[in-house]
Amino acid sequence: GAVVSQHPSWVICKSGTSVKIECRSLDFQATTMFWYRQFPKQSLMLMATSNEGSKATYEQGVEKDKFLINHASLTLSTLTVTSAHPEDSSFYICSARESSFYGYTFGSGTRLTVV
Amino acid sequence: QKEVEQDPGPLSVPEGAIVSLNCTYSNSAFQYFMWYRQYSRKGPELLMYTYSSGNKEDGRFTAQVDKSSKYISLFIRDSQPSDSATYLCAGSGGSNYKLTFGKGTLLTVNP
Repeated sequence: GAVVSQHPSWVICKSGTSVKIECRSLDFQATTMFWYRQFPKQSLMLMATSNEGSKATYEQGVEKDKFLINHASLTLSTLTVTSAHPEDSSFYICSARESSFYGYTFGSGTRLTVV
Repeated sequence: QKEVEQDPGPLSVPEGAIVSLNCTYSNSAFQYFMWYRQYSRKGPELLMYTYSSGNKEDGRFTAQVDKSSKYISLFIRDSQPSDSATYLCAGSGGSNYKLTFGKGTLLTVNP
């Protein structure tokens, strides 16, 4: 089945630094990738949609300059949290969609803690 | 009104019970419906995927969609302790392929 690899699985960083999270589709080409944020006991909140070779489309209220998304190839998308602050601490999850299938495969998530 | 409503539970059942999980949605454009299972601190795992109204069965799991009432259900037969997780329903429609999730229902199956 389709596999999406997400790294790192957890990261602790100092306030003011930047953190990059990678999302790779291992056995399929992902025409579209999505980035979500999830707070404890809350549902997934879509942050942005990225299509390979195009600029990401951000959801209302998501700061484009803080959450930089790059989808450089059909198998890799990255989310960079710039100038991180403690309120950015959360669980970030990516998902990928294969063009021939409407189901979405999720990565295992990245727990970010900003201290 | 949220686009997808789901009772967060928690729901606790004995092993072997039939579990019924339900969601309602408001967006008439939704045509694709999914159920995901999420274990603590993990990414969601796709369980069932249905298009439009109807039933779909996969092993112990059955998904039902009733577009006339905007109601989606997941049934788990012979529930096992390993089924203990949060179950998320989701809907999608239109050309942007975005998924809209419910809040998730926390299920505990007690041995």
